[in-house]
Order: sequence, then C-alpha cells, then structure tokens
Amino acid sequence: EDQVTQSPEALRLQEGESSSLNCSYTVSGLRGLFWYRQDPGKGPEFLFTLYSAGEEKEKERLKATLTKKESFLHITAPKPEDSATYLCALSGGSYIPTFGRGTSLIVHP
Amino acid sequence: EAQVTQNPRYLITVTGKKLTVTCSQNMNHEYMSWYRQDPGLGLRQIYYSMNVEATDKGDVPEGYKVSRKEKRNFPLILESPSPNQTSLYFCASSLSLTGGGEQFFGPGTRLTVL
Repeated sequence: EDQVTQSPEALRLQEGESSSLNCSYTVSGLRGLFWYRQDPGKGPEFLFTLYSAGEEKEKERLKATLTKKESFLHITAPKPEDSATYLCALSGGSYIPTFGRGTSLIVHP
Repeated sequence: EAQVTQNPRYLITVTGKKLTVTCSQNMNHEYMSWYRQDPGLGLRQIYYSMNVEATDKGDVPEGYKVSRKEKRNFPLILESPSPNQTSLYFCASSLSLTGGGEQFFGPGTRLTVL
C-alpha cells in the first residue's frame, strides 16, 4: 500500500528564515510525486511534479527535491505570503493518488 | 480562463435527502476525480474517471455515486446522505494520470448533513 508521511505537521518561521518540509513515502512503482499549496478555504494549487530520484525543480522561493525514500520542499527566505498548507502526494501502481496530511506553514513578518 | 467549477459552494441538508454536487472543467481534460478532505485525514479520493463513461472507485466510495456522460462534467451524487458525509469536497481534473500529472482542483463544496 502506498503511503505518504509529511513532517512537521506545523511550522512557524520568521520572514527570511529558510527551512525545509519533508515528505517520506513508500510506493510500488513511482509514477510521480507532487507538491501542492493549499490556502484556507480553497482547493489545492499545483506546484511541482518530480518523477525520479535526483530530480529538482524550482519556482521562486521554493525548491523541490526527490530521493528514493523522501522529497523535500525547501523554502528560501520565506515571506508572509508563503503561509499556507503544503501537501505532498504521489501516484504509484494504481491510478489513485495518495496524499499526505500536509504541513501548515506560518511565516511571521 | 482555465478552471474547474463546483456548485454549490456551501450546502446544509438533512439525512436521507438526495443531493448532487456538480463539477465542470473547461480544459478538455480526460481525467476527473472527487475528493473529500477531513481534519486529520487529509485528502481522500472518492471516485475517479479516466474518460467519458469510464468511472472507478477510489479509496472511500461508499455512499457516493458518480457519472461521466460528457467529458467536461463529473457530478457527485449522494443518494441518501448521512452525517458522516459532512466534509469539504473537491473536484479535480488533469490531462491524464499516466506517468503522473498535475491536477487542477475546484474551489470546494462544504457539505453539512444534519
């Protein structure tokens, strides 16, 4: 059974304080690992897809990396507008994506 | 504008009263799905559809029905809602899911069953 575990559950940062969110996973046959951002009361918004170990993708202050067991979402010099819940998901042997429970990020000015 | 729309956005109903939540996408996507999101449980897939007239169960299909008669629409039907179906529901679509694929999510429908 595919599994996704995200840590920490919640993270508070000061503006400019870089950090990383973790997504550990087990899967039989990875089709893709996804990162989404979700603002309160809204649907998740796609950020990145990673397909194989060693792959990295960047978007503004966010950088996603992938190993065979985990993915990291690195946030460099975050701003208050980066505050959101970040969801990790994967697509494996079935067509049913498995989502983690998310990391709630708050960035204080 | 490329988007997924859901209606209604908020719904309060009573146990046993049939309801339908509509979902429509304007991106010509083949793959559509329904999720429910509950505190502490995350997003769980209810049903998905690979194309017109092709639907299949997700992780939590009990108490729900879907249909896909047109490519753009994927309604979620609760024939006899119960209080444990109180949740936040999201519809999503993507070009395909083979090899992984980004999903576009709708704005959500908050359902309360009394």
